[in-house]
Amino acid sequence: KAGVTQTPRYLIKTRGQQVTLSCSPISGHRSVSWYQQTPGQGLQFLFEYFSETQRNKGNFPGRFSGRQFSNSRSEMNVSTLELGDSALYLCASSLGQAYYEQYFGPGTRLTVT
Amino acid sequence: SQQGEEDPQALSIQEGENATMNCSYKTSINNLQWYRQNSGRGLVHLILIRSNEREKHSGRLRVTLDTSKKSSSLLITASRAADTASYFCATDDNNNDMRFGAGTRLTVKP
Repeated sequence: KAGVTQTPRYLIKTRGQQVTLSCSPISGHRSVSWYQQTPGQGLQFLFEYFSETQRNKGNFPGRFSGRQFSNSRSEMNVSTLELGDSALYLCASSLGQAYYEQYFGPGTRLTVT
Repeated sequence: SQQGEEDPQALSIQEGENATMNCSYKTSINNLQWYRQNSGRGLVHLILIRSNEREKHSGRLRVTLDTSKKSSSLLITASRAADTASYFCATDDNNNDMRFGAGTRLTVKP
């Protein structure tokens, strides 16, 4: 089985721009979660989608949004980028609940200048 | 915000030695998981222990959970250079919040 894929792998954006990141889960996995990883805050949960519905959401501002398509692929959007949004964004998929074994993608490294 | 706190923050050992990492958390949990991350890449799931379990083994890994102390430990026996990575604990609770600790950076010297 192919693993979780994330595109793009690296991205450089300017403050104020917006960005869309993509995640393709493992075939058959219906849950997709997104995480932000920074040296200062560590790994923080953004949100989780299951069958195109957002099931859970972390404590992030409304500039961070996401969606899931009928094929379970997910996108995450960040609008009005700030320098502090520079991070590694990780996507993880699981069969059902996000709170069981998750399979992570390699991440998208976003740099905001 | 982070739930778990790993201890120590960094650990350096020789190949063949055992490595023990600890994780403490603050709220009641449903499950606790341990993940490994190699150098800024995605995380790899190692083991899940449920709140009603006390110990679990998987190969060279042994995980214990003490819910009365709100803590867990991960033991890696007979460590190898390839075990060099960051190790994170992750908890989920009744509010469906998924939280990761800050991680322990393990270095295994050949």
